[in-house]
Amino acid sequence: GAGVSQSPSNKVTEKGKDVELRCDPISGHTALYWYRQSLGQGLEFLIYFQGNSAPDKSGLPSDRFSAERTGGSVSTLTIQRTQQEDSAVYLCASSSFNSRATAGGYTFGSGTRLTVV
Amino acid sequence: EDKVVQSPLSLVVHEGDTVTLNCSYEVTNFRSLLWYKQEKKAPTFLFMLTSSGIEKKSGRLSSILDKKELFSILNITATQTGDSAIYLCAVLSTGANNLFFGTGTRLTVIP
Repeated sequence: GAGVSQSPSNKVTEKGKDVELRCDPISGHTALYWYRQSLGQGLEFLIYFQGNSAPDKSGLPSDRFSAERTGGSVSTLTIQRTQQEDSAVYLCASSSFNSRATAGGYTFGSGTRLTVV
Repeated sequence: EDKVVQSPLSLVVHEGDTVTLNCSYEVTNFRSLLWYKQEKKAPTFLFMLTSSGIEKKSGRLSSILDKKELFSILNITATQTGDSAIYLCAVLSTGANNLFFGTGTRLTVIP
């Protein structure tokens, strides 16, 4: 697609429920990143996918968080047993190998605002 | 531990003012520093800086990096209400998979 697409744009869920957030990157971009932005905070790295390599999961805050990327394209971030502290904007970004190296070219999606009540 | 610190955290100015936003960093194997503008949700890329002392300019925005003192500044001249946003600074390290972001500076430009 023309840009990075994320859905839903907003999600309100009850504490303890599972949620799935979706990211559709720019076609042909091999790298995909998930970040979290809590109120008043910067972007916190969660997970990185590059091609067929094993993902870098070093930023996932707990084992309630997981992500997968099927067919090297669409990615789903799953949060199990949501807690109120999970409330944040979840941003996805994609880049091609060249754009990351030269133009710093992450392209971000518009994010999913998750509210856990 | 890697650190990116932005200041001020927030700033309110009048249209036409000039502002300077600061970003200092402590990271291992520094490669480049990037500035993003975040108006609603999606941050948009402004500048990438790799070398010290070379100013990057785009319209009323400019930025420069000092690798000796480990900081960068983002200048906006003749501010407009459309400049109101969060400005994010991020650092890329050699061998790292991801950008490391600061907490941002929230700029509000009032008419």
